[in-house]
Amino acid sequence: NAGVTQTPKFQVLKTGQSMTLQCAQDMNHEYMSWYRQDPGMGLRLIHYSVGAGITDQGEVPNGYNVSRSTTEDFPLRLLSAAPSQTSVYFCASSPQGHYGYTFGSGTRLTVV
Amino acid sequence: EDQVTQSPEALRLQEGESSSLNCSYTVSGLRGLFWYRQDPGKGPEFLFTLYSAGEEKEKERLKATLTKKESFLHITAPKPEDSATYLCAVRKNTGNQFYFGTGTSLTVIP
Repeated sequence: NAGVTQTPKFQVLKTGQSMTLQCAQDMNHEYMSWYRQDPGMGLRLIHYSVGAGITDQGEVPNGYNVSRSTTEDFPLRLLSAAPSQTSVYFCASSPQGHYGYTFGSGTRLTVV
Repeated sequence: EDQVTQSPEALRLQEGESSSLNCSYTVSGLRGLFWYRQDPGKGPEFLFTLYSAGEEKEKERLKATLTKKESFLHITAPKPEDSATYLCAVRKNTGNQFYFGTGTSLTVIP
């Protein structure tokens, strides 16, 4: 059982470039989220989804897009990368929102 | 304002020296409080969920408790392998958002 798989693990982007961070889970979880983790800031919610076809914004959504066409996949798109988006990004899933999350291993993104 | 505050930011313990980590929260209508462990370079790993004041959960050397305003993670006779950052998060009765604290970095010295 793979759990939550994130790719890539590391990425360097130039300012203005776009890219997609991939997230897949094989646990048939309804609830999926994207967080960013910055030193001293804790984990902050970017976007989340309560099921296929349903997404909503979290605390820091600007500059990011998501879609959820299947239960398994929840990609995060950076539209035009900025240095302020340098961070570690985590994808997480749970059976329902009030259960504990299973987190992926993260993507470390640097925007230069 | 909904807020989760963890203290201390960092804690160094000798092996076998028991202590507690604190998570205080100010949210209206708590649905659940969650504890996670995070090792360097990895994603957080779920430990416990607490739903109501007075509830306790245990796992090996860890015991989590919950009151109406805070939660404690008690570590009994810690070992070096307990070294990690411990995160707490709360979820409100309304909405789908979890609010995370900034964590306590625990180092257990042999």
